[in-house]
Amino acid sequence: EAQVTQNPRYLITVTGKKLTVTCSQNMNHEYMSWYRQDPGLGLRQIYYSMNVEVTDKGDVPEGYKVSRKEKRNFPLILESPSPNQTSLYFCASSFEGFKGYTFGSGTRLTVV
Amino acid sequence: AQTVTQSQPEMSVQEAETVTLSCTYDTSESDYYLFWYKQPPSRQMILVIRQEAYKQQNATENRFSVNFQKAAKSFSLKISDSQLGDAAMYFCAYRSASSNDYKLSFGAGTTVTVRA
Repeated sequence: EAQVTQNPRYLITVTGKKLTVTCSQNMNHEYMSWYRQDPGLGLRQIYYSMNVEVTDKGDVPEGYKVSRKEKRNFPLILESPSPNQTSLYFCASSFEGFKGYTFGSGTRLTVV
Repeated sequence: AQTVTQSQPEMSVQEAETVTLSCTYDTSESDYYLFWYKQPPSRQMILVIRQEAYKQQNATENRFSVNFQKAAKSFSLKISDSQLGDAAMYFCAYRSASSNDYKLSFGAGTTVTVRA
């Protein structure tokens, strides 16, 4: 089944403790992206990647890192999480022909 | 940056009736894509319908249809014969047709409640 797989689905952590949210897609898509969803703000782009070893900032990149060492994987790294990073996170992938996204199932992150 | 505005935070509809969700956007581009995504309580993001700006004809997918008014920069979603399973948050989104920019810009969302 074609899909984007995110893990974990839920995560509670403490301020300052490094964490990684994994994202993997099995559709050979070139483009991958991370979004965060907050009430009243919709989804906002954090980082994106046009292909392996090519990443760039989105609208809200502060406090986040990403890497794209393989085409299928695009992990989101929070080096020192803070409470304002409590949010619902989505990974998504796409290719030019589709002109839309396939989303992962989301990660609910709580930083206390 | 493109701005997408959904002015209705919440909408309620009786089962089997019709509801229309509004969306406006701001862009200086002439070629772009517009989307409606559905997010049920499971929080999965599900593509409902897509519209290409160069196409005059409004997109339709079963009970879902759009009213695309390019000059007015308006992209409303009509849900006909509403069903209980249509209850969800709906997001309008914009994407530039530029091959260098796959970014989706989202509105704040509209929560749809379906009354039995």
